[in-house]
Amino acid sequence: AQTVTQSQPEMSVQEAETVTLSCTYDTSESDYYLFWYKQPPSRQMILVIRQEAYKQQNATENRFSVNFQKAAKSFSLKISDSQLGDAAMYFCAYRSFGNQFYFGTGTSLTVIP
Amino acid sequence: DTAVSQTPKYLVTQMGNDKSIKCEQNLGHDTMYWYKQDSKKFLKIMFSYNNKELIINETVPNRFSPKSPDKAHLNLHINSLELGDSAVYFCASSQSDRPSYNEQFFGPGTRLTVL
Repeated sequence: AQTVTQSQPEMSVQEAETVTLSCTYDTSESDYYLFWYKQPPSRQMILVIRQEAYKQQNATENRFSVNFQKAAKSFSLKISDSQLGDAAMYFCAYRSFGNQFYFGTGTSLTVIP
Repeated sequence: DTAVSQTPKYLVTQMGNDKSIKCEQNLGHDTMYWYKQDSKKFLKIMFSYNNKELIINETVPNRFSPKSPDKAHLNLHINSLELGDSAVYFCASSQSDRPSYNEQFFGPGTRLTVL
């Protein structure tokens, strides 16, 4: 089975600064999808960004971007110009070709005013 | 319109009781899931289900059972509730054959407290 590892249980960042959350995964598949989800205190799971493995270009959504390194099986999330509303748990997720999803253990992000 | 809805949002009950959590999605997706999120925020897949196949995480006790009356609903039944069942339960859905926009959509979660 695929595994997803988030090695940073907690991170903090000053407001307006940049932070990078790391994620690595283990797979033997060549086609798959990667996601970052945000879970604020409201507990709603919100999709932040997605990446298709066959696309070499890194995905970007406003202040959120990824650094996708397929050979290294690494998928980090960069948050630029951090805002107080970015404080949340962030989950990295892998979707296999067979439509199974695997989640990392999460990184709790604190934004310091 | 709510894409994935769950009821109830909060459920407090006594040990030994039987309870159900309902989930409905209006996205036309073909696959639905149940997750358990414990106090450490770990998300654990319990079941995934589409029209063809139910995949059960082998670590889930058989006191938990999914019931799907139709493609848009996947309810979770829990028998003989135990203290360790206290958690937040999330329902989610996705479309298996769509090459893009194939993420999971989550419901708001149900916080179950067993006393």
